[in-house]
Amino acid sequence: DGGITQSPKYLFRKEGQNVTLSCEQNLNHDAMYWYRQDPGQGLRLIYYSQIVNDFQKGDIAEGYSVSREKKESFPLTVTSAQKNPTAFYLCASSPDRAGKETQYFGPGTRLLVL
Amino acid sequence: SQQGEEDPQALSIQEGENATMNCSYKTSINNLQWYRQNSGRGLVHLILIRSNEREKHSGRLRVTLDTSKKSSSLLITASRAADTASYFCAPLKGAQKLVFGQGTRLTINP
Repeated sequence: DGGITQSPKYLFRKEGQNVTLSCEQNLNHDAMYWYRQDPGQGLRLIYYSQIVNDFQKGDIAEGYSVSREKKESFPLTVTSAQKNPTAFYLCASSPDRAGKETQYFGPGTRLLVL
Repeated sequence: SQQGEEDPQALSIQEGENATMNCSYKTSINNLQWYRQNSGRGLVHLILIRSNEREKHSGRLRVTLDTSKKSSSLLITASRAADTASYFCAPLKGAQKLVFGQGTRLTINP
């Protein structure tokens, strides 16, 4: 059963705490992406990775960090520097490193601040 | 990266009617993609249309592309309650990244 999985579905963060969102894919895709979606809004790109051990900042990278140690995994850490982290986080992958083709999305993680 | 702008922002129709959503963009593109998002879920890819194509079909979906007007439309025929979702277009050129607008929120009333 192939696809993209994200965990957890809901995540609660306390003030000053770092939290990590998981994204795994077994589609053998090279490129992976993290997006943030605020209520009633479109998606904004946080980070993306076109190949293992390499990643690039997107439009709103401040307060976030990522790693790409394995092809199938692209975890996102929301650091304490991100002052407004409450949002819906979506991970995606694509077989095309240049990102010109279809992106496949995971089910998302909703992050809430306590 | 450029962002597509969907119009209208919200659309409410009766089940069985056709729904048309539009997307406009500013610069030339290589392809344009349409995605659907059900409430609280991830996006699902619907159709990719390339710049040299004018129309593409997939089941009840029909996408048109007019590069001279820098616009695209998504038509859903014989709508069903399950079509209720937000629909996003994503125009793409070269090595740019996909950028998603605010989408069109489609509601199908029974």
